[in-house]
Amino acid sequence: NAGVTQTPKFQVLKTGQSMTLQCAQDMNHNSMYWYRQDPGMGLRLIYYSASEGTTDKGEVPNGYNVSRLNKREFSLRLESAAPSQTSVYFCASSEQGQGVYEQYFGPGTRLTVT
Amino acid sequence: LAKTTQPISMDSYEGQEVNITCSHNNIATNDYITWYQQFPSQGPRFIIQGYKTKVTNEVASLFIPADRKSSTLSLPRVSLSDTAVYYCLSGSGNTGKLIFGQGTTLQVKP
Repeated sequence: NAGVTQTPKFQVLKTGQSMTLQCAQDMNHNSMYWYRQDPGMGLRLIYYSASEGTTDKGEVPNGYNVSRLNKREFSLRLESAAPSQTSVYFCASSEQGQGVYEQYFGPGTRLTVT
Repeated sequence: LAKTTQPISMDSYEGQEVNITCSHNNIATNDYITWYQQFPSQGPRFIIQGYKTKVTNEVASLFIPADRKSSTLSLPRVSLSDTAVYYCLSGSGNTGKLIFGQGTTLQVKP
């Protein structure tokens, strides 16, 4: 049981390049999330997927797109990277239902845009 | 989702009990209070969650007064490995969507 896995762990991009961050979970969770964390700050929600086939914007969605490929996988795409997107990106998953459910986080992807 | 306020940093010594208080003045009726722990270069990890009064698990206790406008995370007998950032969150909803604040950096000294 690997929990939540993310690839890659590190990435350096030049301004304008594109890339996709991959996330997978093996806990059969319905809900999945993408956050970014900047130095000295908490996590900010980029996009989330309450269930397979649905996605919704979070607090900071501009410059990103997501795909819920299936129940296990949720990818985050940067179409044209900008230095402001330099951050650590975390994927998470949780059960879905009434109330607030524990989120399980991946190890993160450290992205630098030059 | 309600905004939370917590101290930026705290220091403690090994073996002491640490209490971190969080303010959530605008908490809604359906909101739960949740605490996460984050070590450097790792994702946050769930510690404890509660709605009112007191909740205890194997690692922490959570105290919530009757008005629910604040909460206190209590870590008994901390060790050096408890040095981390602790996030308090309040919220509810079917999506489990959470807004993280700046967190409290706890430094445990020998």
